[in-house]
Formats: sequence, C-alpha cells, structure tokens
Amino acid sequence: DGGITQSPKYLFRKEGQNVTLSCEQNLNHDAMYWYRQDPGQGLRLIYYSQIVNDFQKGDIAEGYSVSREKKESFPLTVTSAQKNPTAFYLCASSTPGQASYNEQFFGPGTRLTVL
Amino acid sequence: GQQLNQSPQSMFIQEGEDVSMNCTSSSIFNTWLWYKQDPGEGPVLLIALYKAGELTSNGRLTAQFGITRKDSFLNISASIPSDVGIYFCAGQTRAAGTYKYIFGTGTRLKVLA
Repeated sequence: DGGITQSPKYLFRKEGQNVTLSCEQNLNHDAMYWYRQDPGQGLRLIYYSQIVNDFQKGDIAEGYSVSREKKESFPLTVTSAQKNPTAFYLCASSTPGQASYNEQFFGPGTRLTVL
Repeated sequence: GQQLNQSPQSMFIQEGEDVSMNCTSSSIFNTWLWYKQDPGEGPVLLIALYKAGELTSNGRLTAQFGITRKDSFLNISASIPSDVGIYFCAGQTRAAGTYKYIFGTGTRLKVLA
C-alpha cells in the first residue's frame, strides 16, 4: 500500500534533549512538508522540501532542523532551542506543479510530549 | 504566517441536517483542498478543486472553487454521526518555483444523533 508513515505515534522526551521524528513516503512524491498542530489550532508550516538535498524554512522553523538525503525520507529534529516543543507533528507529501497532482497527503502524525 | 479565514469555527447539528462551511482568503489560489481530521489522526483529503468555478462532489460532500479564486465552500448533505471531526480547507500557493499550502483554522463539526 502506498502512503506516508510517521514513527513513533507517541514520543516522550525530557526537556533539553533533541529528538528526531521520522517520516517516510512511498508515493514517489517530490515534495515533503512538516507541520505543527497545537490543540484547537490549524496547521503551521515548519519546513518543506521540493527536491532531494534542498529544503526551505516555513513559518515557524526556529528550533527545528531537517534533512532530505533521500526522496522517500524527510526526518525532523526538534532541538533543545525549541521553546514549546510539545505538539502534534504532521508530515505530508505532494507532487506539486502537475495539474491533477496538486493534492497533499498526510501521515498519521506523531504526538511529542516534553516533560 | 498566513492562514485562511474559515467559518464557522464550530457547529452542532442534528443527524440528517445539511452542513455548510467556507473559506476566504486575500490571496488567489490555484488549487483548493478540503480535509477531515479525526482526533489524534492526520488529515484525510476529501476533495481537490483545480479550476475557478469548479463544483466537485464526493458522495455526500460537495465543494466549489470560487470564481474569484479567493474562496471555497464545502457542503455535507444528510449528516451522520461519523461526520464528526475537524474540517480544514487549504489553498496552494506558488512563489519562486516553490509550492506551499496555506490552511484554514478549521471547522469543528459535532453531530447529535
């Protein structure tokens, strides 16, 4: 089955520790995205990548880092510099720019709780 | 960052009633997307719209891409309890060869049996 996987579903970390969230897709999509969702809020863009080895900051990139070494993978690291890391993190992918392929699909999310 | 204006923020309806929600923006979009999110899950794509004026249906769902390309609405007919969730609109933008999606603030739907 094609889709986007995120692991783990739930993640607990102590304050001051870096943590990496996994995102893998087998949809052969070029672009991948990371969003943050806080309770009762919409989705805010953290980082996005249009192609391998290239990525851009979104609206709330401070305290986060990413890499895009493979087309299928776009891991997100939440660093100790992120002041309020507890949130629900969503990964998404798409193949933008093609008329009928502008849809963006989401993974199941990772809920990060920093103690 | 930019967010779309989505209304209503929440609604309680009786099972069997029709539902309508909309999104407006100050920017023009090339694509409008509508998603449904269940608690603790990722959003699931419901409908994608590509042309101004386009009206698209998916079962009991109908969505339209506004003529001005700055708005879209989603209708749900004959609501059922499993329609409960948060509905998000999203518009796709393109700048300097990169594509981003701007999301609405969500409409929380609760269906009373």
